[in-house]
Amino acid sequence: AQTVTQSQPEMSVQEAETVTLSCTYDTSESNYYLFWYKQPPSRQMILVIRQEAYKQQNATENRFSVNFQKAAKSFSLKISDSQLGDTAMYFCASLQWGGADGLTFGKGTHLIIQP
Amino acid sequence: SAVISQKPSRDICQRGTSLTIQCQVDSQVTMMFWYRQQPGQSLTLIATANQGSEATYESGFVIDKFPISRPNLTFSTLTVSNMSPEDSSIYLCSVAGARQGASYEQYFGPGTRLTVT
Repeated sequence: AQTVTQSQPEMSVQEAETVTLSCTYDTSESNYYLFWYKQPPSRQMILVIRQEAYKQQNATENRFSVNFQKAAKSFSLKISDSQLGDTAMYFCASLQWGGADGLTFGKGTHLIIQP
Repeated sequence: SAVISQKPSRDICQRGTSLTIQCQVDSQVTMMFWYRQQPGQSLTLIATANQGSEATYESGFVIDKFPISRPNLTFSTLTVSNMSPEDSSIYLCSVAGARQGASYEQYFGPGTRLTVT
């Protein structure tokens, strides 16, 4: 079984600042997938970024990037030049290799971007 | 990514009744899943909806309480049976294996907010 831990219930930063959200996970598998999802107040779950565990290179998507440390089982999300629209709940999630199973989610981090 | 719709978007139901939630995708997908998000909580997987066969349920969820159908590759339903106030949650379907995107990526519907009084 996989577990995902997000230790920051809430974070607040000023607009245009850079913020890093933490995530650690536990799995007995050597290959798996990791994700960050965003859930704004509209409650729509939006896939922000994904990482295949066999890839050493950290994934990037525009202002979003990850720091994937496989040995430490750490998967943090960095948001650069934060914008007011980034205000949302952010969930870290893991998926077993093959993708036939459901996602295992962390408890989430509420990110608030202050104007 | 696939366009996913859910009906209803929200409902208020009386305890002891049942509600069926529909999930429709605009293209064929390999996998469909149902999740529950209790108030202020994270998402928990209820079951994997299997096309043409019984759903695969996670520990703590049973078919009698959450019957699921998936008659084809674009549609699934989740029924919440004999509801109690503890069933008040957001119910979300997700899909994987759509035409666009990696086969393992899951995309979510807009959710159904259920309140049981």
